[in-house]
Amino acid sequence: SQQGEEDPQALSIQEGENATMNCSYKTSINNLQWYRQNSGRGLVHLILIRSNEREKHSGRLRVTLDTSKKSSSLLITASRAADTASYFCATDGIGGAQKLVFGQGTRLTINP
Amino acid sequence: GAVVSQHPSRVICKSGTSVKIECRSLDFQATTMFWYRQFPKQSLMLMATSNEGSKATYEQGVEKDKFLINHASLTLSTLTVTSAHPEDSSFYICSARVGPNGVQVTQYFGPGTRLLVL
Repeated sequence: SQQGEEDPQALSIQEGENATMNCSYKTSINNLQWYRQNSGRGLVHLILIRSNEREKHSGRLRVTLDTSKKSSSLLITASRAADTASYFCATDGIGGAQKLVFGQGTRLTINP
Repeated sequence: GAVVSQHPSRVICKSGTSVKIECRSLDFQATTMFWYRQFPKQSLMLMATSNEGSKATYEQGVEKDKFLINHASLTLSTLTVTSAHPEDSSFYICSARVGPNGVQVTQYFGPGTRLLVL
């Protein structure tokens, strides 16, 4: 079942601006991951943050995790046209087969 | 990073026929593979978890007799959509994970297979 909800569902900004996407989830997790998907393509893994981490950086990406609020955010700084894609968060629950449960995604459009 | 391939990338078939989709891990051995389905403008929905040499575990609401999964080796899993119908038209994506539970959490995704049933 899908447990992640992402906000906003769609975001359109100008090139160079920062883009922030949020993700909320319902159950306890081992870790949370963010993925990017270009239209009609597979998923590209962006970053993983573990449940005991609060913030993580990778290039222009910054991810935060608040386990008390069961939420995460993905910040893309200095956006580029090539960042146009859908972004999904995915949670890996405690125990079990470590199945990923995906959020509904945010469709990000970077306008040149 | 690790590479996962899918074949075919796109398939069109007539209603009632069966379609097989292959998922291969090219440079690593995948103990577990996952099959997802994604409808247009929607998120990925996990269909089943496939462990090498054992029966797949299907998610609630997914018909195991309709979506046959075989994970015969550590580098290959196949999904067969049997007696496909137009409502089965979707984007099917596989992913592969290295190592047993708790060892490696990153999943590597294939490029997806677009299925259109006429």
